[in-house]
Amino acid sequence: SQTIHQWPATLVQPVGSPLSLECTVEGTSNPNLYWYRQAAGRGLQLLFYSVGIGQISSEVPQNLSASRPQDRQFILSSKKLLLSDSGFYLCAWGTTVNYGYTFGSGTRLTVV
Amino acid sequence: AQTVTQSQPEMSVQEAETVTLSCTYDTSENNYYLFWYKQPPSRQMILVIRQEAYKQQNATENRFSVNFQKAAKSFSLKISDSQLGDTAMYFCAFMPDITDKLIFGTGTRLQVFP
Repeated sequence: SQTIHQWPATLVQPVGSPLSLECTVEGTSNPNLYWYRQAAGRGLQLLFYSVGIGQISSEVPQNLSASRPQDRQFILSSKKLLLSDSGFYLCAWGTTVNYGYTFGSGTRLTVV
Repeated sequence: AQTVTQSQPEMSVQEAETVTLSCTYDTSENNYYLFWYKQPPSRQMILVIRQEAYKQQNATENRFSVNFQKAAKSFSLKISDSQLGDTAMYFCAFMPDITDKLIFGTGTRLQVFP
């Protein structure tokens, strides 16, 4: 069966520090992968998506970047965190037949 | 731009009663997919129900059903026989057929009371 792993679950980082959030998928090949951010009291905002290794599309210009070094691995990074980067980050993978996404359990990031 | 609007930030319902959550969307596409996701306090996003725009019949999954009005661009979720475990944030989402990017509404927080 297909599963998606996301870690860490919780992270507290100082302003100006780097960030690396990892997401891996099992049980499927060549998945479409997505990073979403959910700010407090708001909906989900698509940050990045990837349709293959090394292929990254950015939806919102910002302080974050994404990489896909392997088929089933998706990484969200920042060189220097801002206070505004705080939020709940969700990784998801989708099929190509529009059956919606399967989400990871999320990472709660607090920048202090 | 394609948008999804959920006009009810919060709703409450008594256990065993029925509640309807509203969702409207804006698109010029003719083929697309609509979804309702549930996010309980654990924050895990769970797919509740899915509707294909080219299908006239409203989707149903056990106690969950939708009222899909394509001309009105409306996609409401009805929860029958509400249970305490239905307490969660509910997100409406839209996916055009030409892309596989989900566009989410801002969510409705549902509280089920005993």
